[in-house]
Amino acid sequence: RKEVEQDPGPFNVPEGATVAFNCTYSNSASQSFFWYRQDCRKEPKLLMSVYSSGNEDGRFTAQLNRASQYISLLIRDSKLSDSATYLCVVNVGTGGFKTIFGAGTRLFVKA
Amino acid sequence: DAEITQSPRHKITETGRQVTLACHQTWNHNNMFWYRQDLGHGLRLIHYSYGVQDTNKGEVSDGYSVSRSNTEDLPLTLESAASSQTSVYFCASSEDGEQFFGPGTRLTVL
Repeated sequence: RKEVEQDPGPFNVPEGATVAFNCTYSNSASQSFFWYRQDCRKEPKLLMSVYSSGNEDGRFTAQLNRASQYISLLIRDSKLSDSATYLCVVNVGTGGFKTIFGAGTRLFVKA
Repeated sequence: DAEITQSPRHKITETGRQVTLACHQTWNHNNMFWYRQDLGHGLRLIHYSYGVQDTNKGEVSDGYSVSRSNTEDLPLTLESAASSQTSVYFCASSEDGEQFFGPGTRLTVL
């Protein structure tokens, strides 16, 4: 079993749709969580951190469920520019942390 | 503005040759990382460093080496390039949590 698992998709949605991605992690010692966005042939960039209380940034909402060991990303009112691959990232432990990247979920938003 | 750069951006080499990929960051971050990204695997950690003179092996370190002589640079060396090392290589740096990535180097080993 992979340490961080994501549905690879692709998710094909129309503009304006709401889409949600889940990511599961296997290590209960995981300390911090992130969603990164990666455009085709570009480097990954931080989209948002995921806090225990959940957090929202405009159209994007991230949530963490430690009991079930998953994190989620909700995108409301999808835009064409949201088309990208979304990477789930988990840091295990503190200090000498270990960062695990999921393989990513591809999203295509169509007009 | 602080940044992280990689060079070259594209490289074609032959099997058996030694190749060095450069990574330079001006964030003054202690932590630096090298990843490779291949279809179906996502980002896989090759080597990482928590500071000057510190280097550690990652998940896929065989055939690669790094050195950290200063804070800004973490060059990645392929001792004897193999076709299996054809990939896109990303360098990243961080201080606490978020990793900042360079633009990547696309390496082809023929």
